[in-house]
Amino acid sequence: GDSVTQMEGPVTLSEEAFLTINCTYTATGYPSLFWYVQYPGEGLQLLLKATKADDKGSNKGFEATYRKETTSFHLEKGSVQVSDSAVYFCALRNRDSSYKLIFGSGTRLLVRP
Amino acid sequence: NAGVMQNPRHLVRRRGQEARLRCSPMKGHSHVYWYRQLPEEGLKFMVYLQKENIIDESGMPKERFSAEFPKEGPSILRIQQVVRGDSAAYFCASSPGGAGTDTQYFGPGTRLTVL
Repeated sequence: GDSVTQMEGPVTLSEEAFLTINCTYTATGYPSLFWYVQYPGEGLQLLLKATKADDKGSNKGFEATYRKETTSFHLEKGSVQVSDSAVYFCALRNRDSSYKLIFGSGTRLLVRP
Repeated sequence: NAGVMQNPRHLVRRRGQEARLRCSPMKGHSHVYWYRQLPEEGLKFMVYLQKENIIDESGMPKERFSAEFPKEGPSILRIQQVVRGDSAAYFCASSPGGAGTDTQYFGPGTRLTVL
């Protein structure tokens, strides 16, 4: 079945460091891909998405490119802030079951001043 | 426009009791999804409902769990005779439609603790 694999955390960075969180997927067809962020004690917020190959999603300085050839959707940010500390979830939604989001296990990011 | 509302935010139950979790979707949204997040894991799909209809409950445990989304009022996720393994965060999401292009908006979750 469809699945999402994320790099394990926690990822600890100093402020202004470069961030990469790896995400790869397995799916039939052409899924849509998402990154959600969960701040402590809160629900998930959509950070960015891409719906087809080579699309780049971007928001708040974060970006991710849908790479069909490597089945990847890595999250990047050039300069992290303390306020970016959160858990980041990669997810896919397959058009064959278009309503069901399939999540990775999440990667905790801790940014130190 | 208020977001997805869930209550209670925290719920403590003893083994064998019932838990009722409520979800009010965003205004104008008629599609509701429930997900469960076990500690240190990602979210797992449980059930998808439209008003008065269960569309897909393939992620729901076969016993003790049920969900509804009545014509009036919030969606309810009901867990009967809770066990310690039910301790988790339960998230509700809503969307205006069920199409693949519709973004799901998540509520803050209900954290259930079973003693």
